[in-house]
Amino acid sequence: GAVVSQHPSWVICKSGTSVKIECRSLDFQATTMFWYRQFPKQSLMLMATSNEGSKATYEQGVEKDKFLINHASLTLSTLTVTSAHPEDSSFYICSARRRARTEPSYEQYFGPGTRLTVT
Amino acid sequence: QKEVEQNSGPLSVPEGAIASLNCTYSDRGSQSFFWYRQYSGKSPELIMFIYSNGDKEDGRFTAQLNKASQYVSLLIRDSQPSDSATYLCAVNKRTSYDKVIFGPGTSLSVIP
Repeated sequence: GAVVSQHPSWVICKSGTSVKIECRSLDFQATTMFWYRQFPKQSLMLMATSNEGSKATYEQGVEKDKFLINHASLTLSTLTVTSAHPEDSSFYICSARRRARTEPSYEQYFGPGTRLTVT
Repeated sequence: QKEVEQNSGPLSVPEGAIASLNCTYSDRGSQSFFWYRQYSGKSPELIMFIYSNGDKEDGRFTAQLNKASQYVSLLIRDSQPSDSATYLCAVNKRTSYDKVIFGPGTSLSVIP
């Protein structure tokens, strides 16, 4: 499978500060990357879709001014949580999309996730 | 109706048995379907994807798709304790772009 990395793997920050999370596709070019959030014992919630070179598309209820997404290249997308608060503490997971090699479909691979704790 | 539905479980099967995981979806326009496995505290791992009606086999895993019934399943043969995890069904949703919607997941426990 394809490799997607995330950095940092965990971060603790104080309330009111900003945190940047990086997502990289290491061995393929990803025209589309996705950012998800997952609370304990819940499923993944899509936050936004990030296309290289264009503005991210945010899901309903996700504040675009709070969760800044930049997809600067075909291998890098960043999520910045601005003015973080304790309720933003969660597991943030990115994924990158790659065209499937043998079928007219695509595959979506996940990074290892970033656990954010806001104190 | 939720876009992607799964039984939350937990589903318990004895080691060596077949585990059957089911998923239904609401968007008839969906064309790609995915099964992911997620261990506790880890991110999801792609197991299989399927886009044609019928069965698709990969090792101990078989995905089955029935678009008329809007139903997709995953069979795990010869279940092992290491298969114990949450299995997420995911379906593409066509809007102005493709996005993948996840079901709530089914917790599987394989008993030695």
